[in-house]
Amino acid sequence: AQSVTQLGSHVSVSEGALVLLRCNYSSSVPPYLFWYVQYPNQGLQLLLKYTTGATLVKGINGFEAEFKKSETSFHLTKPSAHMSDAAEYFCAVIPSGGSYIPTFGRGTSLIVHP
Amino acid sequence: DAGVTQSPTHLIKTRGQQVTLRCSPKSGHDTVSWYQQALGQGPQFIFQYYEEEERQRGNFPDRFSGHQFPNYSSELNVNALLLGDSALYLCASSPGGGYYGYTFGSGTRLTVV
Repeated sequence: AQSVTQLGSHVSVSEGALVLLRCNYSSSVPPYLFWYVQYPNQGLQLLLKYTTGATLVKGINGFEAEFKKSETSFHLTKPSAHMSDAAEYFCAVIPSGGSYIPTFGRGTSLIVHP
Repeated sequence: DAGVTQSPTHLIKTRGQQVTLRCSPKSGHDTVSWYQQALGQGPQFIFQYYEEEERQRGNFPDRFSGHQFPNYSSELNVNALLLGDSALYLCASSPGGGYYGYTFGSGTRLTVV
């Protein structure tokens, strides 16, 4: 079965600092990978996705993620954090050739200090 | 273009009661999935509807049932509510099965007392 591990339930950064949110997955074949963001009392918004092709994926709001097959990772980064980035971030995986039902990680809460 | 619309936004029910949650998918989307998100957890897949049929189901008891209508809107029904059913229920829609990702609604916050 697919599983998604997000290292760190909380990540705290200063405004302007690099944001790094970690995601590792278990899969015997390269899956489809997603990052979603959830603001308080809202649903999930798609930040970016990897299906095939270029392993460095750029998303909205200046975020990007790199698919590393050898490390089974799909970490999310942003060069400079803004206060408005404070939210819950979820990594999700869909097994390729499967049912297209995503499995979500437990989420990482990003805290941005002024 | 309206995204995914869910109603109601908040709901309080008593143990043992039944509840119905509603979802209108994004225009052009024919597949609707339902998720349960407990506090501090990631969304857990309940089931997915396509062409008015339940296509996939997660690890949820039969107390959880659903329906999809010809206009692709969907309902989630939960019978015999338990305290543990308290959660945010998210509806997500996609075109043709989810390959391109899902659009989520803002959810219905269900509190069981």
